Amino acid sequence: NAGVTQTPKFRILKIGQSMTLQCTQDMNHNYMYWYRQDPGMGLKLIYYSVGAGITDKGEVPNGYNVSRSTTEDFPLRLELAAPSQTSVYFCASSYSQLEKLFFGSGTQLSVL
Amino acid sequence: AQSVTQLGSHVSVSEGALVLLRCNYSSSVPPYLFWYVQYPNQGLQLLLKYTTGATLVKGINGFEAEFKKSETSFHLTKPSAHMSDAAEYFCAVSDRTNAGKSTFGDGTTLTVKP
Repeated sequence: NAGVTQTPKFRILKIGQSMTLQCTQDMNHNYMYWYRQDPGMGLKLIYYSVGAGITDKGEVPNGYNVSRSTTEDFPLRLELAAPSQTSVYFCASSYSQLEKLFFGSGTQLSVL
Repeated sequence: AQSVTQLGSHVSVSEGALVLLRCNYSSSVPPYLFWYVQYPNQGLQLLLKYTTGATLVKGINGFEAEFKKSETSFHLTKPSAHMSDAAEYFCAVSDRTNAGKSTFGDGTTLTVKP
């Protein structure tokens, strides 16, 4: 039972580099989310999707992009990495709105 | 708009003592409320949730929370702390006006002393 799988677990980027954080879920959930967690802070929503082909911005979308071509996958793209994007990133999914979230184990990203 | 305030970023209790983690919320419509737990280097896991109906909600690992509309609170309790309860706890609120998106508090780190 894989649930929500995120890769990579750790990554170090140089300023200006780009990368994609991968997220896939095998629960056939329509709703998927990307959060970032900064030290001592709660989770801030970056982007979310209510189904394949539909995405929308959350609280802190600047510097990120997403796509949702399939139900299973919801990758997060950083185009020009900045030190302010150093954080732990969590992908989550849910069966429907207002249902509990299932989280991946996170990606720890450092931008130096 | 919805928001969550968790009172106390760090709580320390002795093993066997009562655990009380405080959460107050703001929502313009009836809220859905959640408590999640995060163990080191892991994602969040649901402890319990309140939607409608009974205001006392029981969750996993002996935790429970009571929804008090008049106080806009959803405090998490456990009668007797165990060493394995040491973790970070997040309160979250969601409602139908916000496409079901959850807003999280800043978290409370629970330390359990032997």
